[in-house]
Amino acid sequence: NAGVTQTPKFQVLKTGQSMTLQCAQDMNHNSMYWYRQDPGMGLRLIYYSASEGTTDKGEVPNGYNVSRLNKREFSLRLESAAPSQTSVYFCASSELKGSDYGYTFGSGTRLTVV
Amino acid sequence: LAKTTQPISMDSYEGQEVNITCSHNNIATNDYITWYQQFPSQGPRFIIQGYKTKVTNEVASLFIPADRKSSTLSLPRVSLSDTAVYYCLVGDGVTGGGNKLTFGTGTQLKVEL
Repeated sequence: NAGVTQTPKFQVLKTGQSMTLQCAQDMNHNSMYWYRQDPGMGLRLIYYSASEGTTDKGEVPNGYNVSRLNKREFSLRLESAAPSQTSVYFCASSELKGSDYGYTFGSGTRLTVV
Repeated sequence: LAKTTQPISMDSYEGQEVNITCSHNNIATNDYITWYQQFPSQGPRFIIQGYKTKVTNEVASLFIPADRKSSTLSLPRVSLSDTAVYYCLVGDGVTGGGNKLTFGTGTQLKVEL
């Protein structure tokens, strides 16, 4: 059981380049999320998808777009990368089962924009 | 979403019990309290969740007083491998929009020999 898989694990971009971060989960969860974590900081929510076919903005959505391709996959796109987007990006999924709504996180994508 | 406040850092020694307290004065009736652990270069990992009183699992205990305005994560007999950042989160996730939990800066626990 892989859980949440993110690709790539590392990426270096030049300012202005675009790229898509991929995320897939095999737990049949309805909800998926993208967070970013800057050095020494907590996680900040970029976008989330409560269920297949829906997406909503989180705390820091500017400069990003997302696509909930199907129930398993949720991608994050940077259309024109900026140095301020240098960060570690985490994808997560969750399911509401009564009181149990813990998140399962991927191992992260470390992105550097130069 | 209820805001949480927890210490920035704590130090301990192997074999000791560690208690990390989180305050959440504006917790709502439907909110649960969830704790996560994060090691460097890894995503956070769910530790424990509770609504009221006490919850215990194989990893930790969670104590929640009757007014629910605070909670305490208790780690028994910590080891070096418990050195990590611990996040306290409050949210309901019941009323649609997904479970949009908000992570603060967490508590950096350092365990030494």
